Amino acid sequence: KAGVTQTPRYLIKTRGQQVTLSCSPISGHRSVSWYQQTPGQGLQFLFEYFSETQRNKGNFPGRFSGRQFSNSRSEMNVSTLELGDSALYLCASSPQSRSEQYFGPGTRLTVT
Amino acid sequence: AQSVSQHNHHVILSEAASLELGCNYSYGGTVNLFWYVQYPGQHLQLLLKYFSGDPLVKGIKGFEAEFIKSKFSFNLRKPSVQWSDTAEYFCAVNAGGGFKTIFGAGTRLFVKA
Repeated sequence: KAGVTQTPRYLIKTRGQQVTLSCSPISGHRSVSWYQQTPGQGLQFLFEYFSETQRNKGNFPGRFSGRQFSNSRSEMNVSTLELGDSALYLCASSPQSRSEQYFGPGTRLTVT
Repeated sequence: AQSVSQHNHHVILSEAASLELGCNYSYGGTVNLFWYVQYPGQHLQLLLKYFSGDPLVKGIKGFEAEFIKSKFSFNLRKPSVQWSDTAEYFCAVNAGGGFKTIFGAGTRLFVKA
């Protein structure tokens, strides 16, 4: 099976802009989670989707949003970018809730 | 709030030394426990997991971890490390009926050849 794919792999944006990141889970996986990884904070949970429903959300401002489509593909959006949003954004898929996760390569976002 | 603590942020060992990385979590109910590893330039990948049953679980590449419920711990061990074990190791917990997995801050392991 193909692994989790994320696009784009790298992004450079300026403050105030918005960005959309995409994630395609492993075929058959219905749960998709998003994480923000930074050197200082480690992996911070953003949200988890299952069958197009957001079931949990981390402690991030409302500028961070996401959605999941009927084919389980997921997108996350960050509006009004701030310098502190620079990070590696990881997507992970699971065959079911609370199971082990399979991570994608991440999208490296740099905000200037 | 649930939290996961990894005791060491950086560990340096020589090849053939034994490894133990500590992990403690704060949650009193049923938990699913994981260790993930991120080798340089690679994706995060699952090292081992514990859902129930034997508290001593074995993972890939000779790693094992022991779940001690009374201590809320899930420490990772390997009897003899290799240079190729140089990586960052993350402990993670999925607790109760929640749908999120909380990760520890990670431990960077460097093994000297």
